[in-house]
Amino acid sequence: QVQLVQSGAEVKMHGASLKVSCKASGYTFIRYYLHWVRQAPGQGLEWMGIINPGGGSTSFAQKFQDRVSMTRDTSTSTVYMDLSSLRSEDTAVYYCAREGGPLNGFDIWGQGTMVTVSS
Amino acid sequence: EIVLTQSPGTLSLSPGERATLSCRASQSLSSSYLAWYQQKPGQAPRLLIYAASSRATGIPDRFSGSGSGTDFTLTINRLEPEDFAVYYCQQYDSSPRYTFGQGTNLEIK
Repeated sequence: QVQLVQSGAEVKMHGASLKVSCKASGYTFIRYYLHWVRQAPGQGLEWMGIINPGGGSTSFAQKFQDRVSMTRDTSTSTVYMDLSSLRSEDTAVYYCAREGGPLNGFDIWGQGTMVTVSS
Repeated sequence: EIVLTQSPGTLSLSPGERATLSCRASQSLSSSYLAWYQQKPGQAPRLLIYAASSRATGIPDRFSGSGSGTDFTLTINRLEPEDFAVYYCQQYDSSPRYTFGQGTNLEIK
């Protein structure tokens, strides 16, 4: 079945970097854009950025422009999200989500990766 | 950046009642790029409605979306116990920015 499976929970120190993976299966990887969304404890959803798995192009929310990168490995149908200079406010659940096509919203979500940043 | 404002913040209703959730955009969404998601505790969001009024695959027909421009509504008829959750609207008109509303908590009265 169509699914996105993310890497496991992480605990990071203040100032460290984070890399979360998201492995796609059950569909043609390069045909659908993938997004990263995060959710701080008890808070709402925050869009971080998008990657086109086909060509690798990316675009990020302004808030994360200087700290985030997104890459993909087409051989393993996996996308990666890197976030640097971590601070306590980055403590959150990070989700990858597939965009189902123009106008179609985010139709498939990963299970989420809990990231805790400690000082 | 388009800001989405959801109301009410919390809605208390009983099973069997109708829920009406509002999402207002700070600018007109020219292509009705508006989606609704349901999120239960400890779970990832689930897509309910896309393009303002189209139900996603597997979503019961008691869920419906309407609206255009700046005002959008999610209606849930005949609330079931499993419908009590947090609901988010999301715009994807000003691509590539995909902002979410702050959420409406639908709780059992």
